[in-house]
Amino acid sequence: DAGITQSPRHKVTETGTPVTLRCHQTENHRYMYWYRQDPGHGLRLIHYSYGVKDTDKGEVSDGYSVSRSKTEDFLLTLESATSSQTSVYFCAIGGTVFPNTGELFFGEGSRLTVL
Amino acid sequence: QLLEQSPQFLSIQEGENLTVYCNSSSVFSSLQWYRQEPGEGPVLLIALYKAGELTSNGRLTAQFGITRKDSFLNISASIPSDVGIYFCAGLNDYKLSFGAGTTVTVRA
Repeated sequence: DAGITQSPRHKVTETGTPVTLRCHQTENHRYMYWYRQDPGHGLRLIHYSYGVKDTDKGEVSDGYSVSRSKTEDFLLTLESATSSQTSVYFCAIGGTVFPNTGELFFGEGSRLTVL
Repeated sequence: QLLEQSPQFLSIQEGENLTVYCNSSSVFSSLQWYRQEPGEGPVLLIALYKAGELTSNGRLTAQFGITRKDSFLNISASIPSDVGIYFCAGLNDYKLSFGAGTTVTVRA
């Protein structure tokens, strides 16, 4: 158990509403990531963080923002949700020896449906 | 997709071997193979760090290509618990990029 908690685990919302997903870790690790998973696309990186207040964009960052004000929390915000953002969102953290190894530890996912 | 995986789907008989391939036009500092079971996040199976490296972990064997752009994962003597989605993932600049995945089913 890598000590990662995602919330909420399931959410249904309407187009145009703001949504925030939270990733909480108990491991005090530096690197944190947000991915989305869609059929046929695998996992695609949205944003990542390499320290408090240090974040950068991934390959599918449009329409998403992130914040990391504490080591343990990494928030993903959809300012105005669209149906194309219906997906399963995974948070991941790099372990003690990351990035020397490529091992990320994943949360259980947050399923978001935008109607 | 930065990493191309093949095949997309694989259905095998219990006891058979299976091989999944991964290739890219990009060079990676390391390459990993993950497996995802339904309702869970991916879990690391094998990590490769050196060009040409061949690594085994029980029934799993994987190799990193000499150009650091490709890899394969072989699972021998498949068992029912091998079902899942297998992903290759390449690491560069602190970012891990995933392939689209190979869905494996095992017939009893």
